[in-house]
Amino acid sequence: QLQLQESGPGLVKPSETLSLTCTVSGGSISITSNQYYWDWIRQPPGKGLEWIGGVYYSGSAYYNPSLKSRVTISVDTPKNQFSLELSSVTAADTAVYFCARRLGELATFENWGQGTLVTVSS
Amino acid sequence: QSVLTQPPSASGTPGQRVTISCSGTSSNIGSNPVNWYQHLPGTAPKLLIFNNYQRPSGVPDRFSGSKSGTSASLAISGLQSEDEADYYCAAWDDSLSGPVFGGGTKLTVL
Repeated sequence: QLQLQESGPGLVKPSETLSLTCTVSGGSISITSNQYYWDWIRQPPGKGLEWIGGVYYSGSAYYNPSLKSRVTISVDTPKNQFSLELSSVTAADTAVYFCARRLGELATFENWGQGTLVTVSS
Repeated sequence: QSVLTQPPSASGTPGQRVTISCSGTSSNIGSNPVNWYQHLPGTAPKLLIFNNYQRPSGVPDRFSGSKSGTSASLAISGLQSEDEADYYCAAWDDSLSGPVFGGGTKLTVL
């Protein structure tokens, strides 16, 4: 059973960089039998879900245009992890951040982490 | 403001059938399959319906999905208390070149 677990600081100061890691267990992040992407999604308090971006096991990354200038998503295949960096954060970046496995160029997220709350505050 | 439009809330009594709508545009629902997710706050969201109407293994057949044009619907029949959760629709958006979500519908079982 594939499992994903987010980790990282729960509190980040304004203007700093938010960094999160997703550890994948029960399967390989390098799986090539299907075209899987490893994505980050967030949910601000009281709001809906927003796709941040994703990465393929090869390292190719894809970002939501609205966040592209501030986001970097990378993959570490030996550690079976992928990571999110969001720079110059503001209070608007306060959200629950989820990592998930997406199938192809679809909105089919087959597996999700439980999510981690990141608060941006001084 | 979410790209896909869902009603913020829905409700029903045990045993009833409820439907949740999801409205989009030609660049998302109109040209790509719709997926539905069930989310209990504090837990991992769960894929409920993929490719408009297909259910992953383990999802009861009480849950069904449909799509017509730029709209989609999730139907839950034989409503149970355990169905009380937030439900989200999602579809690939060709303009964004990425997935987009609805704002979510909070289902209350009365």
